[in-house]
Amino acid sequence: KQEVTQIPAALSVPEGENLVLNCSFTDSAIYNLQWFRQDPGKGLTSLLLIQSSQREQTSGRLNASLDKSSGRSTLYIAASQPGDSATYLCAVRRETGGFKTIFGAGTRLFVKA
Amino acid sequence: EAQVTQNPRYLITVTGKKLTVTCSQNMNHEYMSWYRQDPGLGLRQIYYSMNVEVTDKGDVPEGYKVSRKEKRNFPLILESPSPNQTSLYFCASSFQGSQPQHFGDGTRLSIL
Repeated sequence: KQEVTQIPAALSVPEGENLVLNCSFTDSAIYNLQWFRQDPGKGLTSLLLIQSSQREQTSGRLNASLDKSSGRSTLYIAASQPGDSATYLCAVRRETGGFKTIFGAGTRLFVKA
Repeated sequence: EAQVTQNPRYLITVTGKKLTVTCSQNMNHEYMSWYRQDPGLGLRQIYYSMNVEVTDKGDVPEGYKVSRKEKRNFPLILESPSPNQTSLYFCASSFQGSQPQHFGDGTRLSIL
């Protein structure tokens, strides 16, 4: 059974710091992995999607990498800003079973001004 | 504007009273899905649909029904709601199973 773990559960950093959020999964038979952010009381905003055949994706200050064989993905945020404060979630889509999706519990990020 | 729309956004109801949460997308997406989000348990998939008339169970389907009669709509039905179904529900869609999922704003259900 696929399990998705995100470490750390919470993180507090000063503004301007570069940071890395981690996502690990137990079954490497994934179709893709998607990173989201969720603001309190709000829905999920898609950040980056990495297909299983890709190594990384970039959007602005965000870079996501995927090492499928080791079951790991990282989300790198450069030059963090207070507006980056949110919960970051990763979700893997399974390769078999009709694109079932499994979410990690998330990392709650707080960027101090 | 491309979006996934859920209704209602908030609902307080009582045990056993059938309810339907609607989900509609205007992006011609084939794939649609329902999730529930609970503190300490995160987001869990309830049901998903690969296309019209094609639905399948996620990880927590008990107590829920879905239907996909039209491509744009994917309602979630609670035939006999119970307090353990109190949760925040999200609908999502994607063009295909391989494409990014886009989420609605959520529906907060309280079942007394």
